[in-house]
Amino acid sequence: DAGVTQSPTHLIKTRGQQVTLRCSPKSGHDTVSWYQQALGQGPQFIFQYYEEEERQRGNFPDRFSGHQFPNYSSELNVNALLLGDSALYLCASSIWTGGTYEQYFGPGTRLTVT
Amino acid sequence: AQSVSQHNHHVILSEAASLELGCNYSYGGTVNLFWYVQYPGQHLQLLLKYFSGDPLVKGIKGFEAEFIKSKFSFNLRKPSVQWSDTAEYFCAVTIYTGTASKLTFGTGTRLQVTL
Repeated sequence: DAGVTQSPTHLIKTRGQQVTLRCSPKSGHDTVSWYQQALGQGPQFIFQYYEEEERQRGNFPDRFSGHQFPNYSSELNVNALLLGDSALYLCASSIWTGGTYEQYFGPGTRLTVT
Repeated sequence: AQSVSQHNHHVILSEAASLELGCNYSYGGTVNLFWYVQYPGQHLQLLLKYFSGDPLVKGIKGFEAEFIKSKFSFNLRKPSVQWSDTAEYFCAVTIYTGTASKLTFGTGTRLQVTL
């Protein structure tokens, strides 16, 4: 059973460019969340998708947008990249079981903005 | 908004020493609590979780944590650490707003175990 997968593994972009990161959830999971982990920090919640809709959003600007497809996979898009967007971007998938969620994380995409 | 505080940023222990990592959260309602571990070069893995019931929860690899509601704490413990426990440890909390949930993480504690 494949876990959460993310692509690409690493990415280098220039300020002002746009980037798309991809995530495939664990089999059977219908909810995808995205997190940003800056160096030396804990992951920060960006947003969560369920049934192709953004269900909850953290304190991130509109430059960060996402999408969920019918097969539950998801994309994270960041426009007008800033140096401060350099971070590890984590995708987590989950499903509602027993009254709560348990989130499983992928390996992340390391984004470097120069 | 909820927040999570981890008091120890970097802990160095010798093998076989006992471990306790502190975690406090700020939210007065019902929460679910988690400890995640990130081994060098690996992705975040769930160590243990508390949803309800017995406040002393046991996780993988001999770790346990105790939820003390009156202290808003969820400290992680292990009686005897091994060199392979060297990793970054994150405490996280979830509160539910309808059906949505987000994890709020602490800043992490880097554990270094020496031989």
